Amino acid sequence: GDSVTQMEGPVTLSEEAFLTINCTYTATGYPSLFWYVQYPGEGLQLLLKATKADDKGSNKGFEATYRKETTSFHLEKGSVQVSDSAVYFCAFYTGRRALTFGSGTRLQVQP
Amino acid sequence: EAGVTQSPTHLIKTRGQQATLRCSPISGHTSVYWYQQALGLGLQFLLWYDEGEERNRGNFPPRFSGRQFPNYSSELNVNALELEDSALYLCASSLDSNQPQHFGDGTRLSIL
Repeated sequence: GDSVTQMEGPVTLSEEAFLTINCTYTATGYPSLFWYVQYPGEGLQLLLKATKADDKGSNKGFEATYRKETTSFHLEKGSVQVSDSAVYFCAFYTGRRALTFGSGTRLQVQP
Repeated sequence: EAGVTQSPTHLIKTRGQQATLRCSPISGHTSVYWYQQALGLGLQFLLWYDEGEERNRGNFPPRFSGRQFPNYSSELNVNALELEDSALYLCASSLDSNQPQHFGDGTRLSIL
């Protein structure tokens, strides 16, 4: 069935380090892909999206490229800040508008 | 532009009671979605409403129900509450198909 696999957390980095959070999906066809971020005590915020193969979504220094051949949508940022500490969720639309989420990856950035 | 708003922020109930959670979508959005974020279970799709009708339902028992009003706001009702219903319930809205869903800050439901 449809599913999203994310790397286990927590991921602990020092400020200004390079970030990669891996995400692979299993789905029928080529769904739209999303990254959401959840800060402590808050709901989900859309971080970026890609709607077709080879699309690159980007926002606030974060990037992810829709790779059809590897069914992946890895999240990257060149230089993380303490304020990026949050839980990151990879997701895609299954049928009839239901979002399927990965289990989330907690990022902790230390000064 | 105001985002998705949910009320109440916290709700404490006991087993067997009923809970009602409310959601107002972003202005102009006609679709409303409900998700459950329970500890250890991750985010799970509950319900999708559009133009006042239930369009899709996740793998949840019938005691989870809801409705959408003419102004597109929505209610989620959970009857016969069980301990495992303790979770953060997130509401989202979107403009139309393939557009991203935008989430509220959630209602934390605690069952004692």
